Amino acid sequence: AQTVTQSQPEMSVQEAETVTLSCTYDTSENNYYLFWYKQPPSRQMILVIRQEAYKQQNATENRFSVNFQKAAKSFSLKISDSQLGDTAMYFCAFMRSLIQGAQKLVFGQGTRLTINP
Amino acid sequence: GAVVSQHPSRVICKSGTSVKIECRSLDFQATTMFWYRQFPKQSLMLMATSNEGSKATYEQGVEKDKFLINHASLTLSTLTVTSAHPEDSSFYICSAQGQGDEQFFGPGTRLTVL
Repeated sequence: AQTVTQSQPEMSVQEAETVTLSCTYDTSENNYYLFWYKQPPSRQMILVIRQEAYKQQNATENRFSVNFQKAAKSFSLKISDSQLGDTAMYFCAFMRSLIQGAQKLVFGQGTRLTINP
Repeated sequence: GAVVSQHPSRVICKSGTSVKIECRSLDFQATTMFWYRQFPKQSLMLMATSNEGSKATYEQGVEKDKFLINHASLTLSTLTVTSAHPEDSSFYICSAQGQGDEQFFGPGTRLTVL
């Protein structure tokens, strides 16, 4: 079974700073997807960024980027120039990749990120 | 982008009653829908996976007779909490997946059982 571990329950930084959230996972699969989701106080889950395991290049989305280390099974999220609106719970998630059929997401415990003015 | 709705957004009920929560994909056909439960300050825990027209697959420890899931069409899945008790109070979230591999999440339903 796959597991996802987020070792930082809470983090706090000043606005405009850069922050990195850690995530490690355990799997015997070779093909899979990794995701970072944001859950603001509204509790709506929002996809921040995704990474396909077969891609060596780290995914980036504007101020958000990942450091994907497949051998180490590590998938950290870097938020640059942090903004007050980045305050939220952040969940790392794993999903197996199959040719067809839906696969379930396995979530980490979450990291509560607070951006201070 | 794909939109998933849930209804109701919050519900309060008496112990022993049943509550139905709807999850709809508004602009795409969802071959698979997922139901999650989230307790305060905790992560999302998958309860079950449902495919249109077939029986749901429940995760270990989830009572299928208590949490009835119906996925009668490609745009609608329902979760019925039968004979609800206070310990069933939680935040219930659905997600829907179409032809691609991304899941789109609903806004969640807060259930309070008195």
